[in-house]
Amino acid sequence: DIQMTQSPSSVSASVGDRVTITCRASQGISSWLAWYQQKPGKAPKLLIYGASSLQSGVPSRFSGSGSGTDFTLTISSLQPEDFATYYCQQADSFPQTFGGGTRVEIK
Amino acid sequence: EVQLLESGGGLVQPGGSARLSCIASGFTFSRHAMSWVRQAPGKGLEWVSVISGGGENMYHADSVKGRFTISRDNSKNTVYLQMNSLRAEDTAVFYCAKGAGYYNSWHDDWGQGTVVTVSS
Repeated sequence: DIQMTQSPSSVSASVGDRVTITCRASQGISSWLAWYQQKPGKAPKLLIYGASSLQSGVPSRFSGSGSGTDFTLTISSLQPEDFATYYCQQADSFPQTFGGGTRVEIK
Repeated sequence: EVQLLESGGGLVQPGGSARLSCIASGFTFSRHAMSWVRQAPGKGLEWVSVISGGGENMYHADSVKGRFTISRDNSKNTVYLQMNSLRAEDTAVFYCAKGAGYYNSWHDDWGQGTVVTVSS
């Protein structure tokens, strides 16, 4: 199985800050990576697919990059509604696997 | 607008069974993979099972293989998860998720989740 390792596990940031979350795959997955946002008590929401494509309706302050084994999710200017937990997921092969999550908290 | 509505959760005794259902609308159901993803209390997301758009291919996580079975009825726009031999560690919110593609892909829409609690 492909292991997905996210870092950091949590980050404290202020409104307007730039936040970067990384995800590393245990083997190459090309660009078969997605990023999700989850708020407490809610279902996950797709933000980025194909490592760098922005899902329709998602604000442009979210961006993704990387290929192979190393990936990054960047929030260019953190907004109050962005405080949430973020997960990466590989869709290269079954079983699909998620990273452990990164909680973005208010500083 | 895509809608996914799960049902079938509840309290189940260890060793018992339950069947989750997810009724879909707002897209051509047979063209998309459907998956179940679960989240134990206070934990992260765990992918459970997937079934291809036509229902001919499916895959289950090792943690549920031999106990859970995913299926779909394209005439009813519904995907199911039959869960047998339930254990306490299966306690979770179970989400139904629509695949962007026919089989292996990311999940572009999610249901609101249904809670399964395994306890005596």
